[in-house]
Amino acid sequence: SQQGEEDPQALSIQEGENATMNCSYKTSINNLQWYRQNSGRGLVHLILIRSNEREKHSGRLRVTLDTSKKSSSLLITASRAADTASYFCATDWRTSGTYKYIFGTGTRLKVLA
Amino acid sequence: NAGVTQTPKFQVLKTGQSMTLQCAQDMNHNSMYWYRQDPGMGLRLIYYSASEGTTDKGEVPNGYNVSRLNKREFSLRLESAAPSQTSVYFCASSALGTDTQYFGPGTRLTVL
Repeated sequence: SQQGEEDPQALSIQEGENATMNCSYKTSINNLQWYRQNSGRGLVHLILIRSNEREKHSGRLRVTLDTSKKSSSLLITASRAADTASYFCATDWRTSGTYKYIFGTGTRLKVLA
Repeated sequence: NAGVTQTPKFQVLKTGQSMTLQCAQDMNHNSMYWYRQDPGMGLRLIYYSASEGTTDKGEVPNGYNVSRLNKREFSLRLESAAPSQTSVYFCASSALGTDTQYFGPGTRLTVL
């Protein structure tokens, strides 16, 4: 079963607006990552937030994590057409010291020029 | 550096045929992974290899086998393809002790 669930499933905004997408998960985590996938391409890592962190920034990206609610949000500020992509959260699943991740179903973001 | 490469990019099989998807990374990463991506399902882990010489099942291993040929290469084999295995397959790798995964461009497989 999926560990992470993103919402909304799809989001359409105008260039320059902010885009917010959310991720909820089911079990305790050590960290949570966000990835971007452009159409027809592999996933690209955006940002990682650890369970003892509440907020993290990287350029126009802001990620928050609320472990009590088992949720995270990704905010993209001043969006550009090039931000059009699918965004996935991934939560860690660790056994025998191996790093494995479970990915959510993704949010499809469309930024209109 | 090419990063993670996958071959082929596209493949069409008939039910019952076999094939091997190839993956190679040139980043000296210890861990490698195979995922499948289906519409509306996100990515699901098929198999992974924490280090050279070891492989373990992921979420959806049935119908697949893997080989970690050496540190660089991790192949995925479908012995008898089924239409349910129609999907996009991604290989990924990560360095020892880190969480960031680097993905290949994917193989789009159709089983008729």
